[in-house]
Amino acid sequence: EVQLVQSGTEVKKPGESLKISCKGFGYTFSSHWINWVRQMPGKGLEWMGRIDGSDSETNYSPSFQGHVTFTADRSISTAYLQWSSLKASDTAIYYCARRTLSGSGSYSDYWGQGTLVTVSS
Amino acid sequence: SYVLTQPPSVSEAPGQTARITCGGNNIGIRSVHWYQQKPGQAPVLVVYDDDDRPSGIPERFSGSNSGNTAALTISRVEAGDEADYYCQVWDSSSVHVVFGGGTKLTVL
Repeated sequence: EVQLVQSGTEVKKPGESLKISCKGFGYTFSSHWINWVRQMPGKGLEWMGRIDGSDSETNYSPSFQGHVTFTADRSISTAYLQWSSLKASDTAIYYCARRTLSGSGSYSDYWGQGTLVTVSS
Repeated sequence: SYVLTQPPSVSEAPGQTARITCGGNNIGIRSVHWYQQKPGQAPVLVVYDDDDRPSGIPERFSGSNSGNTAALTISRVEAGDEADYYCQVWDSSSVHVVFGGGTKLTVL
């Protein structure tokens, strides 16, 4: 059974750094990209970008470029999302999702349970 | 960048048919995917490639896509279908995933 299991809730102060994780089970991690998606409180889904599970190639949405970093360690089937300096506006739930190619694009067929990140002084 | 437009809300009585639209410029040439998100839960894929269903998704969920509008149709709506629904496409020109703003389905 395919599963993505994310790390737990985080409470941080502005300016602090953070790294959250997403571990894949039940499939070949290097055969798929991982999408990262943000959901701010009461808001919709926002695509942050993606990372290739085979070679760690990345694409970032312009809205997040320069503020977050995606990494991956295929030896342990894990993708990471990190911040070097958090802001209060980073408060959100962050989802990882497995990307699968489709007819003329791709979709996210399996999602992690989400990681709640709260940034507050 | 490519924009997807969804109505903020749709309401329907149990047993009726709910239709949630997703508008985009010439969206009919793209593959459209739909996600269901219930309160406090992660999104779940319910339709992919316009009109295919993942295993485990009821046949009551179907999709269509033509011209400038894609749609998710839910037949015989149940209370358990109450959720937010998001459409999504891949924008090859920007190499980005694009989500619609989401539609809240209320079952009356």
